[in-house]
Amino acid sequence: DQQVKQNSPSLSVQEGRISILNCDYTNSMFDYFLWYKKYPAEGPTFLISISSIKDKNEDGRFTVFLNKSAKHLSLHIVPSQPGDSAVYFCAASKRAGSGGSNYKLTFGKGTLLTVNP
Amino acid sequence: EPEVTQTPSHQVTQMGQEVILRCVPISNHLYFYWYRQILGQKVEFLVSFYNNEISEKSEIFDDQFSVERPDGSNFTLKIRSTKLEDSAMYFCASSVSQYNSPLHFGNGTRLTVT
Repeated sequence: DQQVKQNSPSLSVQEGRISILNCDYTNSMFDYFLWYKKYPAEGPTFLISISSIKDKNEDGRFTVFLNKSAKHLSLHIVPSQPGDSAVYFCAASKRAGSGGSNYKLTFGKGTLLTVNP
Repeated sequence: EPEVTQTPSHQVTQMGQEVILRCVPISNHLYFYWYRQILGQKVEFLVSFYNNEISEKSEIFDDQFSVERPDGSNFTLKIRSTKLEDSAMYFCASSVSQYNSPLHFGNGTRLTVT
């Protein structure tokens, strides 16, 4: 099942710089997208989400951009901090009535972000 | 900040045994879920639960699996007769609503079937 793809297994950035994490999806029925962060031995922690009626959502240092025509979304972290080092998961869901529901999330495989001091 | 709690953090069991994984969702949340992650693979949906019944389940959630909310706070996942391939991290999650409402996950239970 490759409906949500995170093609970069890892990313390394310098503290203070921008981190850009990418995610592609294939199912055009997806209409709600989320980013989660995961530290070892912990569960995924919700970061930020965006619905398909928007193309940008911002929360502090985190901004998610959605390009529906390209079926692509990205997470920008500015400025990056060493504490941001974790695995980042992109997830998507489709509205009930289109064969899905908002709680049946489809996850990508994750990208390991390392922020170097 | 309210959080989802799961117990135990690690469960080791023999093949064929029954296991019960326990979760306490966030108190004002109405929707509850189980997901799992087999080592090296994606996090995958198992089941959702609302109003004391299953709302949706995946093809993974066969007759060996069951969920229950035995009281007002706990939410459990039971595997009746464990198989080696059930070894995984099991995550409980909860959300306020079913639309455009993020899921909040617990720290997981690592199930090892030997």
